[in-house]
Amino acid sequence: DIQMTQSPSSLSASVGDRVSFTCRASQDIRNDLDWYQQRPGKAPKRLIFGASSLQSGVPSRFSGSGSGTEFSLTISSLQPEDVATYYCLQHNNYPRTFGQGTKVEIK
Amino acid sequence: QVQLVQSGAEVKKPGASVLLSCEASGYTFTNYFMHWVRQAPGQGLEWMGVINPSGGSTSYAQGFQGRVSMTRDTSTNTVHLQLSSLRSEDTAVYYCARADGNSWSSAIDFWGQGTLVTVSS
Repeated sequence: DIQMTQSPSSLSASVGDRVSFTCRASQDIRNDLDWYQQRPGKAPKRLIFGASSLQSGVPSRFSGSGSGTEFSLTISSLQPEDVATYYCLQHNNYPRTFGQGTKVEIK
Repeated sequence: QVQLVQSGAEVKKPGASVLLSCEASGYTFTNYFMHWVRQAPGQGLEWMGVINPSGGSTSYAQGFQGRVSMTRDTSTNTVHLQLSSLRSEDTAVYYCARADGNSWSSAIDFWGQGTLVTVSS
């Protein structure tokens, strides 16, 4: 199975800050990596697909980058509504595997 | 618009089985694979398996082999998840999640609202 490791597990930042977090795959997954946002008590919502493509309707302050084994998600200007846990998911192989999540809070 | 409406919360005793449903609308049901993902309280997301609604073929996570069954009903645009021999560790929110295509390599783009399953004696 492909292991997905996210870091950090949590972070706290101020409104307007630029924040980034990473997802590392245990083997090359090309760009078969998506990012999801899960607000408290809600279902996940896809933000980024194919490592760097913005899902329709998602604010442009979200961006993704990377390929192979190293990926990152960046929020260019953190907003209060971005408080959530963010998960990466590899769809290069089965079983599909998620990272353990990065919880984002407002300082 | 795409909608995935899941069945209501369930409370089951250890050893029992549970059958969950996910009714799709707003798109051609047989053109998109459907995944099931679960989330234990306070924990991360765990992929369980996927079904091709067109032919009914499935792929399950190793940890659920022998206990899980995914089926579909094309007359009602509904996928079902059956999980048997329930134990307390199966307490979780179960999500159906639509793939973004009709190939085995497709990703997940849209999620249902989730169904809480509580396993308790």
